Amino acid sequence: DSGVTQTPKHLITATGQRVTLRCSPRSGDLSVYWYQQSLDQGLQFLIQYYNGEERAKGNILERFSAQQFPDLHSELNLSSLELGDSALYFCASSARDRNTEAFFGQGTRLTVV
Amino acid sequence: GIQVEQSPPDLILQEGANSTLRCNFSDSVNNLQWFHQNPWGQLINLFYIPSGTKQNGRLSATTVATERYSLLYISSSQTTDSGVYFCAWGETSGSRLTFGEGTQLTVNP
Repeated sequence: DSGVTQTPKHLITATGQRVTLRCSPRSGDLSVYWYQQSLDQGLQFLIQYYNGEERAKGNILERFSAQQFPDLHSELNLSSLELGDSALYFCASSARDRNTEAFFGQGTRLTVV
Repeated sequence: GIQVEQSPPDLILQEGANSTLRCNFSDSVNNLQWFHQNPWGQLINLFYIPSGTKQNGRLSATTVATERYSLLYISSSQTTDSGVYFCAWGETSGSRLTFGEGTQLTVNP
């Protein structure tokens, strides 16, 4: 158990819908990251928050947004969903914002039908 | 951008065999991690190894930062070692990880 908790584990939704994925980092970790794993793109970095502020942005679509709350949990919002958004979404956390080991949650498997 | 290349892409072993997985990266390294993704999709931390050598049971890893590569050694492999092994490179100015394509390992009984 990495200590990073993601909910839900599985999500099936229809095209055009909006979903929210939730992540609780390891106790004491200030950084939260979101990654997407799809068959054609592999594991890709989406976005990083550190202590409530956006720190880095990767290949995140404009239809996707995230935030980190004062209690350090994070949410990833995916809207206007398309079939191609079906993927495994991982949250990771680390103690600092750089040069530090990241630990991954179990992932949320999103299926868009 | 950074290139992270893993080899071999696929590896099939008999239980008890040893193996070496390689990860080459195109830029200087500040953070290098190895993960095992099990058949249920979980990404399990194996090593945080920006340089040097570490060992954990039957697994060990070495990163030679000056030559921009890392190696993961698996000895006396077991069927539970099956899955995909990823290396991930971390940039100097932050902590985002760039993942390689992975090595799919199958250990047969």
